[in-house]
Amino acid sequence: SQTIHQWPATLVQPVGSPLSLECTVEGTSNPNLYWYRQAAGRGLQLLFYSVGIGQISSEVPQNLSASRPQDRQFILSSKKLLLSDSGFYLCASTSGTGVGEQFFGPGTRLTVL
Amino acid sequence: GIQVEQSPPDLILQEGANSTLRCNFSDSVNNLQWFHQNPWGQLINLFYIPSGTKQNGRLSATTVATERYSLLYISSSQTTDSGVYFCAVASNTGFQKLVFGTGTRLLVSP
Repeated sequence: SQTIHQWPATLVQPVGSPLSLECTVEGTSNPNLYWYRQAAGRGLQLLFYSVGIGQISSEVPQNLSASRPQDRQFILSSKKLLLSDSGFYLCASTSGTGVGEQFFGPGTRLTVL
Repeated sequence: GIQVEQSPPDLILQEGANSTLRCNFSDSVNNLQWFHQNPWGQLINLFYIPSGTKQNGRLSATTVATERYSLLYISSSQTTDSGVYFCAVASNTGFQKLVFGTGTRLLVSP
């Protein structure tokens, strides 16, 4: 089965600073990859998904961007963080067929002050 | 887009009690998953169940795709079952993207 790694686990950043969150996947090749955000006490919102290297689709307009430099690496970035970027960020993966069970990483808790 | 509703929003149980959580969705799906989010935020996969019935220990789930609902049963609840339970679905049209319900917050007291 797939294993998804995320780091850092927690992050506290000042407003206006840059951001880079990393996600790597083991146990599958050519996965579909996803970034979700969960605000406190809320459900998960899909931010970005990728079906392959360099292929990124954005679900909602926002201050964030995503990149996929390698098959099993997915990066979430920002040039200047806003207070509203605070939240719990989860990376997820589905097998390369695109249909089937989705698995989640442990998440990164971001606080912007 | 597809809508997902979960009920009840909150549930308090005594240890040992049974419970049923419900997930209603508004369109045909080719993916339905149940997750348990633990106090540390980790999403634990419980069931991948776009249709039919599955059981895993004290937990079982049933999805009636034609009627657009799924049920998660928890029997003999334990304090470690506490947390938030999410249902998530993906429509069977277009690229598969999970849409999450707002969750059921379960508290099991000793």
